[in-house]
Amino acid sequence: GDSVTQMEGPVTLSEEAFLTINCTYTATGYPSLFWYVQYPGEGLQLLLKATKADDKGSNKGFEATYRKETTSFHLEKGSVQVSDSAVYFCALKNYGGATNKLIFGTGTLLAVQP
Amino acid sequence: EAGVAQSPRYKIIEKRQSVAFWCNPISGHATLYWYQQILGQGPKLLIQFQNNGVVDDSQLPKDRFSAERLKGVDSTLKIQPAKLEDSAVYLCASSLGLGQGHGERSGNTIYFGEGSWLTVV
Repeated sequence: GDSVTQMEGPVTLSEEAFLTINCTYTATGYPSLFWYVQYPGEGLQLLLKATKADDKGSNKGFEATYRKETTSFHLEKGSVQVSDSAVYFCALKNYGGATNKLIFGTGTLLAVQP
Repeated sequence: EAGVAQSPRYKIIEKRQSVAFWCNPISGHATLYWYQQILGQGPKLLIQFQNNGVVDDSQLPKDRFSAERLKGVDSTLKIQPAKLEDSAVYLCASSLGLGQGHGERSGNTIYFGEGSWLTVV
């Protein structure tokens, strides 16, 4: 079945460092891909999305490009801030069936130190 | 616009007791989801409603979990009897549409509540 694999954390960075969180997926057809963020004590928030190959999603300085050839959707940010500390989830949604179900990876904890 | 509301935020119960969680989706959203998020794992879909009908409950442990959405608006998730492994965050989410067919449209975006944190001791 469809699945998402993302790099294990925690990822610890200093402020203004470059961030990459790897995400690869397995799916039939042409899924949409997402990054969700979960700040401490809060629910999941949609960070960015891409709906077809070569699309780039971007928001709040974060970017991810839908790479069908490598089945990847890596999250990047050029300069992280302490406020970016959170858990990041990669997810996919496939439209082959009758549901609108999101399938999540296990999450990657990012800790940014001042 | 008000978001997805959930209650209670936190609950601690003993094993074999029962618990119920309530969710009120964003106004006008036809589709409602309950996800279970165990510590260190990604959220897993338990059940999905379209209005008051069940679309997908394939991963709901039906011997102890039940959910309803009688009037097609708010929903209740119940666990009876609870086990230690049920300790998790229970996330409610909603979307405008069901997302059938191809393509991601604005109506298919899924919005999450803050979650109900359950500890079974």
